[in-house]
Amino acid sequence: DAGVIQSPRHEVTEMGQEVTLRCKPISGHNSLFWYRQTMMRGLELLIYFNNNVPIDDSGMPEDRFSAKMPNASFSTLKIQPSEPRDSAVYFCASSNRDRNEQYFGPGTRLTVT
Amino acid sequence: AQSVTQPDIHITVSEGASLELRCNYSYGATPYLFWYVQSPGQGLQLLLKYFSGDTLVQGIKGFEAEFKRSQSSFNLRKPSVHWSDAAEYFCAVVRRNSGNTPLVFGKGTRLSVIA
Repeated sequence: DAGVIQSPRHEVTEMGQEVTLRCKPISGHNSLFWYRQTMMRGLELLIYFNNNVPIDDSGMPEDRFSAKMPNASFSTLKIQPSEPRDSAVYFCASSNRDRNEQYFGPGTRLTVT
Repeated sequence: AQSVTQPDIHITVSEGASLELRCNYSYGATPYLFWYVQSPGQGLQLLLKYFSGDTLVQGIKGFEAEFKRSQSSFNLRKPSVHWSDAAEYFCAVVRRNSGNTPLVFGKGTRLSVIA
């Protein structure tokens, strides 16, 4: 089992640019979660999907953030336009229907200059 | 609303010493309980979980945790800490039989290990 896969692992971009983060959940898992982690705010849930449907996006900080899950094996988190305060580590996690334990990817470290 | 409290922001222990990290939760009923570890530059890794049954659960890397209903606690323990255990530890809870709702995480406890 390859685990949750995230790409890229590191992203450095300039303010105003569009950023797209990608996630492949564990095969067979039907829920996917996007988190953001910073020193100041800790681990924050941004949005989660069940069966590819967004359930709760109340954690998405602004309209500049959007997330999609076009199929069971792929999700994206997009920031457009990016700002320096978006600099953080973004994690994706997945879980299956019967168990609540979440499995995390290695994260994408985003730096916006 | 459910909440998780990890009272200790940072703990330092000597290598070989025992460890206990505290976790208290506020919930209407006994939730499912989890401990995760995050090594520097890594994602969160599941250490152990409690769903039901024996209140002392064993996890990976020599860790164990004990669920105490009367204290609403789920403290993590290890009898002898290794330098490689230096990391951030997160306690998390979720309501039972809630389907795939998100875990509620504590703010974490950073563990430093000294020689």
